[in-house]
Amino acid sequence: EPEVTQTPSHQVTQMGQEVILRCVPISNHLYFYWYRQILGQKVEFLVSFYNNEISEKSEIFDDQFSVERPDGSNFTLKIRSTKLEDSAMYFCASSLGLAGLFDEQFFGPGTRLTVL
Amino acid sequence: GDSVTQMEGPVTLSEEAFLTINCTYTATGYPSLFWYVQYPGEGLQLLLKATKADDKGSNKGFEATYRKETTSFHLEKGSVQVSDSAVYFCALSEQGAQKLVFGQGTRLTINP
Repeated sequence: EPEVTQTPSHQVTQMGQEVILRCVPISNHLYFYWYRQILGQKVEFLVSFYNNEISEKSEIFDDQFSVERPDGSNFTLKIRSTKLEDSAMYFCASSLGLAGLFDEQFFGPGTRLTVL
Repeated sequence: GDSVTQMEGPVTLSEEAFLTINCTYTATGYPSLFWYVQYPGEGLQLLLKATKADDKGSNKGFEATYRKETTSFHLEKGSVQVSDSAVYFCALSEQGAQKLVFGQGTRLTINP
């Protein structure tokens, strides 16, 4: 069964460093998403991406964040200069993009980012 | 803005016990409601959904009914199994929106 994969499973970085979190969405999906969950808090929407551009973003997704689909399979989240408060579990998701119908999002297992 | 509130966890039950995990929501429109489950080491998986008031979603013995009058979507199962141990997330999505709005998750542990 196709699944969303994420690498690495755990990333440790120093404050101020850039990190890139990688995701491989399901191959025929058209919408891609990033969510995050700070320990003990809710899963929060960061951004959705369709047709090579951001379709929606939350207020959390500021200029420090960027997303990219560098090739036909990967979807990346870059944090330019990490802060302590960026420590969280980051989930990637993808969906078919069924307009007007329920469009189920399929999630990856997450990348735990620890900023020291 | 939209929000989802779940009962605090963790929840620990014995096998074959009855399960209820409460979920209430606040939304401006008429959202669709979901329960997602996350097993250890895996991503969130859709467990069930309901798209309009009074709809009942069901899957794997779990049920939840969309109650507009109480803005609730409580998850229930009549007889839980050890394999149901996981984290359960209630979520909503507004009509026409892509993003999901999640509750904080409830960790469920079932003891044999």
